[in-house]
Amino acid sequence: AQSVTQPDIHITVSEGASLELRCNYSYGATPYLFWYVQSPGQGLQLLLKYFSGDTLVQGIKGFEAEFKRSQSSFNLRKPSVHWSDAAEYFCAVGARNTGFQKLVFGTGTRLLVSP
Amino acid sequence: DVKVTQSSRYLVKRTGEKVFLECVQDMDHENMFWYRQDPGLGLRLIYFSYDVKMKEKGDIPEGYSVSREKKERFSLILESASTNQTSMYLCASYRTSATYEQYFGPGTRLTVT
Repeated sequence: AQSVTQPDIHITVSEGASLELRCNYSYGATPYLFWYVQSPGQGLQLLLKYFSGDTLVQGIKGFEAEFKRSQSSFNLRKPSVHWSDAAEYFCAVGARNTGFQKLVFGTGTRLLVSP
Repeated sequence: DVKVTQSSRYLVKRTGEKVFLECVQDMDHENMFWYRQDPGLGLRLIYFSYDVKMKEKGDIPEGYSVSREKKERFSLILESASTNQTSMYLCASYRTSATYEQYFGPGTRLTVT
């Protein structure tokens, strides 16, 4: 069965510094991969997605992620973090060929931004 | 813009009460989901529905049931609420042709006392 691991529960980054959030997945076939962001008290908003093609994908709010098949990873990056980026980030994998379509989510990484 | 709305942002219920959580989407999506979100556990799928009157159990269906009588509405039912069902509940939907890209509602924070 597919699974997603986000090894960092919390990360603190200084405003203006770069950010990388880690995500590793387990799935036999080529996965659909997603990053969602959840601001406090809100639902989840899609940041970016990877289905196929170029392994570096661009998303909203200046985020990007790189799919590395050899490492089973889909890490999220941002070159310069803003205080408004403080939120919880979830990586998810979708199964392409199961009988029904669902996403499996990681446990999330909470990003704190220090001044 | 896709809009997924949930009937309540905050709800407080007593143990043993029957609880209804409502979710409505306005984009004619075939698929709708209910998740619960708990700290350190991420999002866990309770039930999903791929069509009117159709439902499938997710990973943690025990203690819950669902109803989908209309395409735009998906209800989560706690037949007899218990304190261990205190959680954040998130509804999501997506169009089958749009490859798993789920749109989420704002969530309902349910407290069972």
